[in-house]
Amino acid sequence: GAVVSQHPSWVICKSGTSVKIECRSLDFQATTMFWYRQFPKQSLMLMATSNEGSKATYEQGVEKDKFLINHASLTLSTLTVTSAHPEDSSFYICSAPGQGLPNTEAFFGQGTRLTVV
Amino acid sequence: AQSVAQPEDQVNVAEGNPLTVKCTYSVSGNPYLFWYVQYPNRGLQFLLKYITGDNLVKGSYGFEAEFNKSQTSFHLKKPSALVSDSALYFCAVRDLNSNSGYALNFGKGTSLLVTP
Repeated sequence: GAVVSQHPSWVICKSGTSVKIECRSLDFQATTMFWYRQFPKQSLMLMATSNEGSKATYEQGVEKDKFLINHASLTLSTLTVTSAHPEDSSFYICSAPGQGLPNTEAFFGQGTRLTVV
Repeated sequence: AQSVAQPEDQVNVAEGNPLTVKCTYSVSGNPYLFWYVQYPNRGLQFLLKYITGDNLVKGSYGFEAEFNKSQTSFHLKKPSALVSDSALYFCAVRDLNSNSGYALNFGKGTSLLVTP
C-alpha cells in the first residue's frame, strides 16, 4: 500500500515554544491530507483538512492560529503547534487518502507524540 | 452526519478462539466503511473496507467483516485469534460531504486482548 511518513515520532518542547510536524506521502501525491489528534485510549479527532494550494479547513473548536497547517506541495503537509502549552500534549496523526476518492482507504503516518513541559 | 459506534471498550478472547469486534453505523445513503488497527504509539494500519458488492469482506492478517444493512452493522471477525492480534481496533465511516475532503469519522475504538 501507499506510504505516509510522519516526522518526528516524538518531541518534547518547553511551554511557549513552537513545534513543527511534517507529513509526507512518499509514493503518491496527495492534494488533501488530514490531521488528527488522539488522547490516551481515545479515538481520533479530526482537527483539520489540509489542502494543497489553498487554506486548510479547520473543525469546529480547533484554533487555526494555534495549529498552523501548510500544504506546501503535493507530497508535504506540516502542522505547527504555536506557543505550545502542556494541554497541547497529545498524539498527532496525519493521513492521506489514496487515489480514487471516495472509494479508497486512507493511509496514516506513524504519529507524533508531543509532550510540552 | 456519518458516524459509527463501537459498543465495547474491550474484548477479551483466548488464543485460537474466534473473535468479533462490533461496529454499527449511522449514515445517510450508502456507507463507506473501514476497519483499522493501531499498535501502541503507532499510526493506523488499514485492515479492510466495504464500499459495495459482497457483504463479506476479507482483509489483511486473516480478518474479515460482514456488512449487514438491516442491522446497520459492520462487525470485524477472525476465525482464530493470535496473541499478536492484541491491539486497538477502529471502525470508521467516510464523510461523503466533499467539503470535508472525504475525511474518515472514527468510532471510539475497541481494545482487543488475546490471551495465551
